[in-house]
Amino acid sequence: GDSVTQMEGPVTLSEEAFLTINCTYTATGYPSLFWYVQYPGEGLQLLLKATKADDKGSNKGFEATYRKETTSFHLEKGSVQVSDSAVYFCALSPQAAGNKLTFGGGTRVLVKP
Amino acid sequence: NAGVTQTPKFQVLKTGQSMTLQCAQDMNHNSMYWYRQDPGMGLRLIYYSASEGTTDKGEVPNGYNVSRLNKREFSLRLESAAPSQTSVYFCASSGNRDNQPQHFGDGTRLSIL
Repeated sequence: GDSVTQMEGPVTLSEEAFLTINCTYTATGYPSLFWYVQYPGEGLQLLLKATKADDKGSNKGFEATYRKETTSFHLEKGSVQVSDSAVYFCALSPQAAGNKLTFGGGTRVLVKP
Repeated sequence: NAGVTQTPKFQVLKTGQSMTLQCAQDMNHNSMYWYRQDPGMGLRLIYYSASEGTTDKGEVPNGYNVSRLNKREFSLRLESAAPSQTSVYFCASSGNRDNQPQHFGDGTRLSIL
């Protein structure tokens, strides 16, 4: 079945450091890919998405590129802030399956001043 | 600007007790979902409803029942709670067109003793 694997955390960074969170997936066909973010005590919010190969999703300084050849959707940000401390989830929606999501295990990111 | 509202926010139950978690959305979405979130496992789909009057099992449906009361409301019921059901439960909703993001509530933290 479909699955998403992302790097385990926690990832601890200093402010203004470069952030990368790796995400790889297993799915048939051409799924849509998403990154969601969860701030403490809150539900998940969509951060960005990409719906076809080579698409780049971007939002709030975060970027991720849909790489079909490596089945990856790594999340990057060039200069993190303390406010970026959160749990980040990679997810996929299988092709022609409505909007059901399969999530990775989540990566906790802690940014220190 | 409520979005997805879940009640209650916290609950403690004894093994064998029953409980219904409530969820309502005000975005006129057709699809609604129930997930559970456990450490290191991301979110796992319990049940979903693609439209009023329809429900389908997700990845981990055992021990749960759902009701799609109307377009706005989707409830999750634990008939006989077990300690393994201790988790954080999230409700979400989305439109029906492909690649629509899911909108999440703030979650219900449920402990079963």
